[in-house]
Amino acid sequence: SQTIHQWPATLVQPVGSPLSLECTVEGTSNPNLYWYRQAAGRGLQLLFYSVGIGQISSEVPQNLSASRPQDRQFILSSKKLLLSDSGFYLCAWCTGTANTGELFFGEGSRLTVL
Amino acid sequence: AQKVTQAQTEISVVEKEDVTLDCVYETRDTTYYLFWYKQPPSGELVFLIRRNSFDEQNEISGRYSWNFQKSTSSFNFTITASQVVDSAVYFCALTGTGNQFYFGTGTSLTVIP
Repeated sequence: SQTIHQWPATLVQPVGSPLSLECTVEGTSNPNLYWYRQAAGRGLQLLFYSVGIGQISSEVPQNLSASRPQDRQFILSSKKLLLSDSGFYLCAWCTGTANTGELFFGEGSRLTVL
Repeated sequence: AQKVTQAQTEISVVEKEDVTLDCVYETRDTTYYLFWYKQPPSGELVFLIRRNSFDEQNEISGRYSWNFQKSTSSFNFTITASQVVDSAVYFCALTGTGNQFYFGTGTSLTVIP
């Protein structure tokens, strides 16, 4: 069966520090991968998605970046965090054709920038 | 443009009452899929249902039912005889010919015992 894991679960970082959140999927190959952010409140904002290794599409310009070094690994990074980067970050995957399958979400990573 | 609107920000009901969560969508795609997800306090989103644009049959699963109407671009979700465990944030989502999933802003449901 397929599983998705992301870590760390909780992170407290000072402003200006770097960030690295990791997400891995097991039990499937060539998934579409997604990073969402949920700020205080509830809306889900799509940050990045990837349809293959090295392919990254950015939905919102900001100081975050994403990389997909391996087929089932998706990394969210920042060189210098801002206060506004605080939030709940969710990684998700779906089968290769997005409009036929549902998204499966990881457990989430809660980031607090102080 | 793709857009999902959940106008109800917060709803409170007393246990055993029925409650309907509204979802209105916009899309230019002729083929698309609609989804509902549940986000309990733990934070992880749980998939509830997927409907494609060619299937307007209503669906019932236990206490949950979904009403899909293309004429009004709506995909509403009803919980019958609500329970405290139904308390969560519920998201409606849309995907079309692209690879993006578009989510509404969510409806926070509180079921009061």
